Amino acid sequence: QKEVEQDPGPLSVPEGAIVSLNCTYSNSAFQYFMWYRQYSRKGPELLMYTYSSGNKEDGRFTAQVDKSSKYISLFIRDSQPSDSATYLCAMIRRDSGSRLTFGEGTQLTVNP
Amino acid sequence: SQTIHQWPATLVQPVGSPLSLECTVEGTSNPNLYWYRQAAGRGLQLLFYSVGIGQISSEVPQNLSASRPQDRQFILSSKKLLLSDSGFYLCAWDTFTGNTIYFGEGSWLTVV
Repeated sequence: QKEVEQDPGPLSVPEGAIVSLNCTYSNSAFQYFMWYRQYSRKGPELLMYTYSSGNKEDGRFTAQVDKSSKYISLFIRDSQPSDSATYLCAMIRRDSGSRLTFGEGTQLTVNP
Repeated sequence: SQTIHQWPATLVQPVGSPLSLECTVEGTSNPNLYWYRQAAGRGLQLLFYSVGIGQISSEVPQNLSASRPQDRQFILSSKKLLLSDSGFYLCAWDTFTGNTIYFGEGSWLTVV
């Protein structure tokens, strides 16, 4: 079983829709949680970073962490065609320094 | 601000030929450096990481090697490429206190 599970999609939504992206994890030692956005043929860029349970909002993006249930989510409001990308969740264990464990990534397409 | 440069961006190499990908980080000292590989449609696989000059840790046995000749320079090499070495190679960095990492733009390698 993978430590981090993420539905690879693809996910296709109309412009303006609310998008929900999710990851589950099995190791309760994961402490820091990140979402990366990766456009085609580009390196991943850090989108959101959080370390506590609850919600963190940044513009149209909200990162949610539920440590008791071991899942994290990324919500995108008023989705735009420019949001079309692959979204990767990532997390770090307390005992692993800065070596991230990534999900497989979810491919999102927002249709105009 | 910190920046990371990675080159070449794209290369096509014949089987059995050598490889050298280079990565440099600017604007920080003593970063942790990483090489990841991303196969088509798959997640990120950590290949090597380095916490200092000459200090290289390998995560997965590979036909590849890494070197860190200078504090902010990280090189990925191979003496003889295999078809299975094709993929998207990403250099990344963080500081020793960092809880997340930042990626370069990546290098697309096609072995033919």
